[in-house]
Amino acid sequence: KNEVEQSPQNLTAQEGEFITINCSYSVGISALHWLQQHPGGGIVSLFMLSSGKKKHGRLIATINIQEKHSSLHITASHPRDSAVYICAVDNTDKLIFGTGTRLQVFP
Amino acid sequence: SQTIHQWPATLVQPVGSPLSLECTVEGTSNPNLYWYRQAAGRGLQLLFYSVGIGQISSEVPQNLSASRPQDRQFILSSKKLLLSDSGFYLCAWGRNSGNTIYFGEGSWLTVV
Repeated sequence: KNEVEQSPQNLTAQEGEFITINCSYSVGISALHWLQQHPGGGIVSLFMLSSGKKKHGRLIATINIQEKHSSLHITASHPRDSAVYICAVDNTDKLIFGTGTRLQVFP
Repeated sequence: SQTIHQWPATLVQPVGSPLSLECTVEGTSNPNLYWYRQAAGRGLQLLFYSVGIGQISSEVPQNLSASRPQDRQFILSSKKLLLSDSGFYLCAWGRNSGNTIYFGEGSWLTVV
């Protein structure tokens, strides 16, 4: 069993839909990262969380430390949100990555 | 501001040939440096990390090696590439736990 599990693996949506991507982990962490990887491979950090909730534009990330679970929400999804979203946990100076969720948003 | 660069962006190499991917960080000092690999259909896997010059930790056994000759330079090497070395390689830097990680642009390696 992977130390970081994401669901779903693939997700398709119509423009405007509310999107939720989930991440569960089984190790102790100091922080959790949500990353976005575009088709060219480049990765951008979206959020870093150690508790509670963060919001940036249409993106919202939450984390429940007791349940070892985090969610990434996208409100009013748009085709430009199509990408792979990766959850990664910070475990003693090393990141452990989930395998990613491939999101496609259709107009 | 801090920036991170890695090169080359794409590389096609024959089996058995050497490899050198280079990563440099600007605008900061004494960063933690990381090399990750993403094989087709799989998540990112940590290969090496370094907390200082000459200090390299290897996470998985393989025919790759890493070196940190200068504070802000991290090099991934191989003496003889295998087909299984093909993949997407990412350099990253960060501070101690609980801080944002910044990624390079990535390098696509195809071993033929």
